[in-house]
Amino acid sequence: KQEVTQIPAALSVPEGENLVLNCSFTDSAIYNLQWFRQDPGKGLTSLLLIQSSQREQTSGRLNASLDKSSGRSTLYIAASQPGDSATYLCAVHGSGNTGKLIFGQGTTLQVKP
Amino acid sequence: DTAVSQTPKYLVTQMGNDKSIKCEQNLGHDTMYWYKQDSKKFLKIMFSYNNKELIINETVPNRFSPKSPDKAHLNLHINSLELGDSAVYFCASSRADEQYFGPGTRLTVT
Repeated sequence: KQEVTQIPAALSVPEGENLVLNCSFTDSAIYNLQWFRQDPGKGLTSLLLIQSSQREQTSGRLNASLDKSSGRSTLYIAASQPGDSATYLCAVHGSGNTGKLIFGQGTTLQVKP
Repeated sequence: DTAVSQTPKYLVTQMGNDKSIKCEQNLGHDTMYWYKQDSKKFLKIMFSYNNKELIINETVPNRFSPKSPDKAHLNLHINSLELGDSAVYFCASSRADEQYFGPGTRLTVT
């Protein structure tokens, strides 16, 4: 049974810092991995999608890496801004392309001005 | 240019009532989903439909019944609501790999 864990649960940093959010999963047979952002009281916004054959994806100040063999993904945020404050969720799409995403419990990030 | 929309955004009701949540996507996607986010913010899939056919049905009480009248719509009907049904329900859609989520419906059962 696939389980997804995100560490840390909460993180507070001063503006301008580079930071790394961690995601680990127990079954390396995944189809892809998706990082989301959730603002309080809002829905989920897709940030990055990494296919199982890829090692990393980049979008602006965000870079996500994937190491299937070790069951890990990281989300790197460069030059953090107060507007980056949100909960970041990692979700693993199991093998077979069923569409079923297994979510971690998220990392709540606060970037202080 | 809303992609995935849900109505209502908030729903407050009493135990024992029956309620529905509607979801529509204008992305032309083939697959739609319902997820539940509990009070601890943990998201878990409930159902998935592909071209109006049910393909994922997680361990969900049969008081929950999804209905897909067409590819663009997936509604969730809940019978005999219980206190434990209080949560935020998210609809999502996908064509290939990436899933797009709606804004959520916060259901409060009193």
